Amino acid sequence: GENVEQHPSTLSVQEGDSAVIKCTYSDSASNYFPWYKQELGKGPQLIIDIRSNVGEKKDQRIAVTLNKTAKHFSLHITETQPEDSAVYFCAASPMEYGNKLVFGAGTILRVKS
Amino acid sequence: DSGVTQTPKHLITATGQRVTLRCSPRSGDLSVYWYQQSLDQGLQFLIQYYNGEERAKGNILERFSAQQFPDLHSELNLSSLELGDSALYFCASNPLGTSGGEQFFGPGTRLTVL
Repeated sequence: GENVEQHPSTLSVQEGDSAVIKCTYSDSASNYFPWYKQELGKGPQLIIDIRSNVGEKKDQRIAVTLNKTAKHFSLHITETQPEDSAVYFCAASPMEYGNKLVFGAGTILRVKS
Repeated sequence: DSGVTQTPKHLITATGQRVTLRCSPRSGDLSVYWYQQSLDQGLQFLIQYYNGEERAKGNILERFSAQQFPDLHSELNLSSLELGDSALYFCASNPLGTSGGEQFFGPGTRLTVL
């Protein structure tokens, strides 16, 4: 089945710097790749997603890139702010009956002001 | 607020007991997903229901079961509880049965097994 690896496990950046989180997946048939942000005591919240027929997507300070050949995708956050501090999860949706998400292990992002 | 509600917020119980977690999806969503989040296993998919029928199954233990009712709310039943079942349990919903799409997560139920 699908396996998603996420790096780094923790990331500390200075306010205003960029942050990059990388994920690899194993199932070449996976076709949907969301990124979720989880704040303490809350459920994961989608921040951006990308489908397999798109190479890059941007939403203000957040962008995601997908390399289908290498089976990896990355989250880029520019001009980081203290409120970006949270746990970020990547996920992949295998193209099988149903709609489950297979999550990476998560990255703790700390933005220092 | 995602529109997905889960009750209770916290649950403390003893080993060997049985509990029921409840989820109400967003209005109009036909799919409900259950996930378990623990420190050692991360976020793991348990099971998906679509319009009352089981659609996909993940790493769900035989001691766990779920159902989706005609009003589309769902319940996750955990029985013969063990210490290792202590975790956050999330419910998510979306309109879809298949094909990747955003899942809206509830606030979770924190289960502590003593």
